[in-house]
Amino acid sequence: EAQVTQNPRYLITVTGKKLTVTCSQNMNHEYMSWYRQDPGLGLRQIYYSMNVEVTDKGDVPEGYKVSRKEKRNFPLILESPSPNQTSLYFCASSFGQSGEKLFFGSGTQLSVL
Amino acid sequence: GENVEQHPSTLSVQEGDSAVIKCTYSDSASNYFPWYKQELGKRPQLIIDIRSNVGEKKDQRIAVTLNKTAKHFSLHITETQPEDSAVYFCAGRDATLGRLYFGRGTQLTVWP
Repeated sequence: EAQVTQNPRYLITVTGKKLTVTCSQNMNHEYMSWYRQDPGLGLRQIYYSMNVEVTDKGDVPEGYKVSRKEKRNFPLILESPSPNQTSLYFCASSFGQSGEKLFFGSGTQLSVL
Repeated sequence: GENVEQHPSTLSVQEGDSAVIKCTYSDSASNYFPWYKQELGKRPQLIIDIRSNVGEKKDQRIAVTLNKTAKHFSLHITETQPEDSAVYFCAGRDATLGRLYFGRGTQLTVWP
């Protein structure tokens, strides 16, 4: 089954404790991206990648890191989480490099205390 | 970069009526405009998209229209059903950077 898999689904952590949210897709997609969703603000792009070893900043990259060492994986790293990073995070992927027709993962609800 | 604004933020309609959600964009070079539907507690899913060289596209009860001159595009849902209740997001793609910019969403409620 074609899918984008995120883990974990829920995460509660404390300020400053490094964490990683994993994202994996099995569709051989070139394009992958991370979004955060906050009430009233819609979906905002954090980082995106058009292919292996190629990453670019989105609208709200501060406080986040990503890597794209393999085509299928695109982890999101919070080196020192802060409460303002409490949010619902979505990973998405698509065929080609254009970011069209995104497939989204199930989301990760992160709470930073 | 691109700026996409979406209206209204909430919309309530009676089952069987039509619903229209409108979005405007700022970058005249934007060339791709998708619409995503997000049901409560679920992931966003693409329902329809349109490119800048097309004025209208239909898929059963859903249609999207694009007015490049006015820089706005709209989602039209006809014969609404309770299962159409969801948050709908529009987006526009910046032609230069290739990035998608989303609107803030419209909560559509369809009353039986």
